[in-house]
Amino acid sequence: DTAVSQTPKYLVTQMGNDKSIKCEQNLGHDTMYWYKQDSKKFLKIMFSYNNKELIINETVPNRFSPKSPDKAHLNLHINSLELGDSAVYFCASSLGPSNQPQHFGDGTRLSIL
Amino acid sequence: SQELEQSPQSLIVQEGKNLTINCTSSKTLYGLYWYKQKYGEGLIFLMMLQKGGEEKSHEKITAKLDEKKQQSSLHITASQPSHAGIYLCGADPYGQNFVFGPGTRLSVLP
Repeated sequence: DTAVSQTPKYLVTQMGNDKSIKCEQNLGHDTMYWYKQDSKKFLKIMFSYNNKELIINETVPNRFSPKSPDKAHLNLHINSLELGDSAVYFCASSLGPSNQPQHFGDGTRLSIL
Repeated sequence: SQELEQSPQSLIVQEGKNLTINCTSSKTLYGLYWYKQKYGEGLIFLMMLQKGGEEKSHEKITAKLDEKKQQSSLHITASQPSHAGIYLCGADPYGQNFVFGPGTRLSVLP
């Protein structure tokens, strides 16, 4: 069973479109995250939710809006996609918000045409 | 804010050789994590270190956090092609957001 699953795995779309990436974890964790990994493989945190509450909101354009309908899900919606949004987006989860290892999904590769 | 540096940036070794990857923090580490990323895949958690001088091992991989808690090393003994990938250190800064190092790309030649 996949612990942290993201869909879709690949997303190719045109500039200006709106798209969503879904994430689900079946580990019973309280905390979930979204990361962006750029072309240089640098991994940077975007958002974190603990028990459905937003606890980390890095300097991310407000075109990116996370939504956590319950503890097991954290979705990422992106409005008006731009070329610079092309990257791999990773979802992760952990037991709690600190001092806990994070478990990662396989990533969603977003390409903007 | 806390920043992590890793060295080397990339490493190519012959199968069977030992190797070390270093992670240096700009501030005291309260929790240091090592992850491995295979090309095109997600990150796999390897080890977590919290106490100065702590050392942990998993199969042929050993990680250590120095006494001053500002540097960690990851050592692989008798490397195999299956060890190839990107190794990232991550830190759990007190009161700040989780950060990752830039990664070390390891290639193991058969």
